[in-house]
Amino acid sequence: DAGVIQSPRHEVTEMGQEVTLRCKPISGHNSLFWYRQTMMRGLELLIYFNNNVPIDDSGMPEDRFSAKMPNASFSTLKIQPSEPRDSAVYFCASSSGLAPNFGNEQFFGPGTRLTVL
Amino acid sequence: EDQVTQSPEALRLQEGESSSLNCSYTVSGLRGLFWYRQDPGKGPEFLFTLYSAGEEKEKERLKATLTKKESFLHITAPKPEDSATYLCAVPNTGFQKLVFGTGTRLLVSP
Repeated sequence: DAGVIQSPRHEVTEMGQEVTLRCKPISGHNSLFWYRQTMMRGLELLIYFNNNVPIDDSGMPEDRFSAKMPNASFSTLKIQPSEPRDSAVYFCASSSGLAPNFGNEQFFGPGTRLTVL
Repeated sequence: EDQVTQSPEALRLQEGESSSLNCSYTVSGLRGLFWYRQDPGKGPEFLFTLYSAGEEKEKERLKATLTKKESFLHITAPKPEDSATYLCAVPNTGFQKLVFGTGTRLLVSP
């Protein structure tokens, strides 16, 4: 298996632009997680899905952030409009098991480094 | 508030110099403690899960142990390739998310 796939790996955009990050989880995994990592705050959970359904989005910082999972093999995280403080590395992770699912290990993708100028 | 605190923030070792990393947590009803390794420019990679006090797990030069309030990651005779950031995480009290520590950056010099 190729593992969790994320694209793009790097994104540089200007303030106010829309940004879309993409993730393909490991086949057969039924939970998908979006995290944000910064030096100041470390890894923070933004939202997670189980069987394509959003379960908890309390970590989404603002209404400018939205996430979708139209099927078991694809998810997007969108920021509109983007701001400089959104600059961070965004990780997607997936895992298997029953929901709520925080007892099993999560497999992380390589991340998308976002820079908003 | 659920918290995970890792110490030290950074650790520099000579090759072969054993040491330990600490992860302390404040959650009610622990349902697992996870250790991850993160290399620069990559996502965290799973190492261990510990579920109960007294449990130990080993992988090559790494051994993780768990008590009621903290976990240790012991590194025996480290090599330069062990250089990475080591993260620990626990499910929060409401079992709604994983709470990560900010990590220990380990550098092993030859």
